Order: sequence, then C-alpha cells, then structure tokens
Amino acid sequence: KNQVEQSPQSLIILEGKNCTLQCNYTVSPFSNLRWYKQDTGRGPVSLTIMTFSENTKSNGRYTATLDADTKQSSLHITASQLSDSASYICVVSKLTGGGNKLTFGTGTQLKVEL
Amino acid sequence: EPEVTQTPSHQVTQMGQEVILRCVPISNHLYFYWYRQILGQKVEFLVSFYNNEISEKSEIFDDQFSVERPDGSNFTLKIRSTKLEDSAMYFCASSERPPDRGNEQFFGPGTRLTVL
Repeated sequence: KNQVEQSPQSLIILEGKNCTLQCNYTVSPFSNLRWYKQDTGRGPVSLTIMTFSENTKSNGRYTATLDADTKQSSLHITASQLSDSASYICVVSKLTGGGNKLTFGTGTQLKVEL
Repeated sequence: EPEVTQTPSHQVTQMGQEVILRCVPISNHLYFYWYRQILGQKVEFLVSFYNNEISEKSEIFDDQFSVERPDGSNFTLKIRSTKLEDSAMYFCASSERPPDRGNEQFFGPGTRLTVL
C-alpha cells in the first residue's frame, strides 16, 4: 500500500535552534517528493520538490534530503523563527505517466517558542 | 503574485443539502485538483481534472461528488447530499503540468464545510 509516514508527530523547539523532520515512504514507482508547510487553517505551501536523481535541495533556511534507495527524506530547518510554527507535510508523487495523485503524510506539527 | 482563490471561506449546511464549493485556479494552469482535510487528519486527494474531464479520482470521490469547470476561470466541487462526515476543509489546487512531472501545485486557502 502506498503510504507516507512522518516523525516526530510533534516537536517543540526554542527560537534560533535547528531541527530535522523525517519522512519514510512506500509509494512506488516513485516520481518526486515534496515538503509543504501548512499554517493552521490555511492551504499547504510548497517548500521543496525533489526528483529521483536529487539528493538535496535548499530553500532559504529549509534543506531537504532524499535517499531514494532507503525511501527516506528529511527536512532540516536552520535557525528557527517563531513564524516557522506550522505543520510540515511530506508528500510523494507516484510515477504514473501523467498521473495526478499525491499521497500526503500526516505531518509534523512544529512549534517554535521564545 | 498569482494565487488560487476559493469561496466561500466557510460554508455551513444541513445534512442532505447540496453544496457547491468554488475555486478560481491560477490563470495559465491546466490541471486542477480538489483535496479534503478532516480536522486533525492528513490531506486526502479527491479528484484531478484536465482538459474538461476527470483524470483521476480517489475512492472518497463517490457518486455524491462532481466537479465542473463551468467557464474559463471557475472550477467547482459539488456535493449532492451532504453527510455529517463530509465536514472538512476542502482545498482546491492547480498546476501547469501533472505532479509526476515534478511540477508545483498551488493550493487555495480552503473552504471549511460544516454539515449539521
């Protein structure tokens, strides 16, 4: 079954600290993996998109890694800010020759405190 | 910066009533999607739409649901006879190309549907 699992479920860190969120997936055949940020009551916003051949991709203070062999990804947030408080969702796209279905993880709820 | 818009932001309806959720995708996008997110749960794919027809749908998208692009700008989701379990946040999204081409999907702010 195509699944996306994330850990931890929730995380509290102090402002300025770094953190790393994990994602494991079983979606196959794999096309690409995305990390989204979702503020409470809002739509997800894309942070990074990585294809099979990409091992790492950065977007400002966000750095995502991908190991397609072990089917794992991580999202590293550097020098966290209060505005980073949100749910971070790992999303995997299946390679289906034009397919449109994304499989979402349950997300990691991050809270950044003073 | 172009964005996906959705109306209304909050819809309250009685069980058994029909509701239509509206979306205006980004103007040059060709692929449109609806997702739902039940409170506290993950986002779930409902349906994708391209070239005026459904290209893929999930098991959630049963006969109670339908989608339509009535004109060149709007994209709607209709639920014919709402059930309590339809209460959720519904997100519309659009993209230039399908997601397995690595193309970004842009999400709207969502419509919160409450079925009483």
